[in-house]
Amino acid sequence: NAGVMQNPRHLVRRRGQEARLRCSPMKGHSHVYWYRQLPEEGLKFMVYLQKENIIDESGMPKERFSAEFPKEGPSILRIQQVVRGDSAAYFCASSPRSHREGQPQHFGDGTRLSIL
Amino acid sequence: QKEVEQDPGPLSVPEGAIVSLNCTYSNSAFQYFMWYRQYSRKGPELLMYTYSSGNKEDGRFTAQVDKSSKYISLFIRDSQPSDSATYLCAMSARVNQFYFGTGTSLTVIP
Repeated sequence: NAGVMQNPRHLVRRRGQEARLRCSPMKGHSHVYWYRQLPEEGLKFMVYLQKENIIDESGMPKERFSAEFPKEGPSILRIQQVVRGDSAAYFCASSPRSHREGQPQHFGDGTRLSIL
Repeated sequence: QKEVEQDPGPLSVPEGAIVSLNCTYSNSAFQYFMWYRQYSRKGPELLMYTYSSGNKEDGRFTAQVDKSSKYISLFIRDSQPSDSATYLCAMSARVNQFYFGTGTSLTVIP
C-alpha cells in the first residue's frame, strides 16, 4: 500500500497520559499536514511540516501539543497530559511539493483517540 | 462567519439520480478548490481538484467553481449506492492551510 499510513488506528489513553500518533507519508512526499476532526465539525488544520522543519503550526494549541518530522522515520504528533477534550480523529495528509505549487493533499485513514 | 459553509444534509436520493452538492465561502483569496469523499471510519479521498473558476469533469463527477458568487458545486451523475459517503469541500489560497466544509452526508438508495 503506497498510501499515507497512520498508526495506531485507535488509541485509548487516560487523562494525564501522553499520546503519540505516527504518520508515514506517501512515497515521494516530503510535506506532511496534521488535522483534527470532531463530530459535526470539519477538518481543522493543526500543523504543516517538511523534513526536519515546522513550516506552519498556527492551528496547533500552544500547550501540550507538538509535532515533528525527522529526517528518518514517520512524522509524530505528540499530545502530553491528555484531557477529555482531546478525544477526536486525527488525520495526516501528505503532498509531494508545497501547496503553493498547486499540489493537493492525500489523507491517511486517521487515528481515533479516546480519552478515558 | 465560517470560512467555508456546507449544508450537512443528510441527503438521500434513489439510485441513478443526479446529486448536487454545494459549498459557499467568504474568502475571495481562495483559488484552489477540492472535493473529497469520506467513508465511515476512513480518511478523506480526493475526488476533484480545480484551480480558479470553471468546470472540470471526471467520469460521473463534475466540479464547478463560480468565484464571482463564491460558490462551488459537485455533481454526481447516475449515482450508485457505493457513492453513499460524506462529501467534503476544501479550498485554499496560496498558503499551506486548507479550509474544509463540515461535510454533506449522502445516501444513495438502491
